[in-house]
Amino acid sequence: DTEVTQTPKHLVMGMTNKKSLKCEQHMGHRAMYWYKQKAKKPPELMFVYSYEKLSINESVPSRFSPECPNSSLLNLHLHALQPEDSALYLCASSPLFLRDRVPEKLFFGSGTQLSVL
Amino acid sequence: DAKTTQPPSMDCAEGRAANLPCNHSTISGNEYVYWYRQIHSQGPQYIIHGLKNNETNEMASLIITEDRKSSTLILPHATLRDTAVYYCIVRVLRSGAGSYQLTFGKGTKLSVIP
Repeated sequence: DTEVTQTPKHLVMGMTNKKSLKCEQHMGHRAMYWYKQKAKKPPELMFVYSYEKLSINESVPSRFSPECPNSSLLNLHLHALQPEDSALYLCASSPLFLRDRVPEKLFFGSGTQLSVL
Repeated sequence: DAKTTQPPSMDCAEGRAANLPCNHSTISGNEYVYWYRQIHSQGPQYIIHGLKNNETNEMASLIITEDRKSSTLILPHATLRDTAVYYCIVRVLRSGAGSYQLTFGKGTKLSVIP
């Protein structure tokens, strides 16, 4: 299984709602990522988890709250979002190696298209 | 990471080879060249990577110039399904345990035309 599965595929929410995006992989990867992609722009890194611990937060506003409950699952909790947060949210995973000289091959899901009204 | 420059868009006739260029004139000796692509409404997909030798896999070939200042991704027989944005990324080969911090540039939108 070489898939990263994201649910839901589409989400519409109001600015006062609380919702969660989910991501799952069964490739044994111990690094998982959230990227945000606005229309016609490249993906931008938001968070990185290594061994279920948050290792990188790219100065993301606190209305986005990531969670990694186990090595296969990654969530992104959303609360009090703004219309400008509407975007495609991409999850990715990669293996972590304990030696040098590792190529950076990420596996991406198809994303959740989020609309904030 | 070294900066990369790609043309914003290219067209290719179906069945012909698509040659996508990337300039990375400030690349250093320990930086790899990676190529990803993103088909509309999907996540990016890894294609290939290389250091200095030409590389080939089932998806594409990567040609890196001898001075490593530029590279070309070659799709030998482009199909309509190859229509996508192609990203060229240069990254230092990381040492030790760690996650990856790929940064995507603007890429090249390749349109394969029937």
